[in-house]
Amino acid sequence: KAGVTQTPRYLIKTRGQQVTLSCSPISGHRSVSWYQQTPGQGLQFLFEYFSETQRNKGNFPGRFSGRQFSNSRSEMNVSTLELGDSALYLCASSLEPQGTNEKLFFGSGTQLSVL
Amino acid sequence: AQSVTQLDSQVPVFEEAPVELRCNYSSSVSVYLFWYVQYPNQGLQLLLKYLSGSTLVKGINGFEAEFNKSQTSFHLRKPSVHISDTAEYFCAVSDIGNTPLVFGKGTRLSVIA
Repeated sequence: KAGVTQTPRYLIKTRGQQVTLSCSPISGHRSVSWYQQTPGQGLQFLFEYFSETQRNKGNFPGRFSGRQFSNSRSEMNVSTLELGDSALYLCASSLEPQGTNEKLFFGSGTQLSVL
Repeated sequence: AQSVTQLDSQVPVFEEAPVELRCNYSSSVSVYLFWYVQYPNQGLQLLLKYLSGSTLVKGINGFEAEFNKSQTSFHLRKPSVHISDTAEYFCAVSDIGNTPLVFGKGTRLSVIA
């Protein structure tokens, strides 16, 4: 079974641009969560989608948005990029929603650098 | 809101020595507790989890953790570490129900030959 796949692996953008990151969950998994990882803050929760519906959203500005398609693939979008958005963006999938005892399966992440 | 504190940001230890990575969480309501490991240039992998029952939980690669409700702690231990255990370790907690996992800031374990 293929794992969680995130594309692209690396991305370089400049301030003010927008970016779209993609995540393909493990086959059969309906929950997709996104986390931002930085050296100073660790992992911070962005949002979770389950069966195309956003279940939870973290404390991030509206520039961060996401969606989930009927095949459970998910995208997240960051508009008007700022230098502070430079981070590793991790996607995680699971069979059931978070808040149950489900194990999260993580992708290798997309490393975003904003110049 | 739930929060997780990992008391040590870096822990150096010699090969074959024991290690303990400390984790405390803020809320004493019913929780699920997890430890994840991240090897360089990879995503996170589950080491072990506590859901209920026995407070001593055994995981993969010889790791174990003990849940202490009164101290709201979930410390990770290994009796003898190997070079291959060098990685970053994250403690995470979820309130039972409709809440996402909250992660600590991580502890970087460096095993020295």
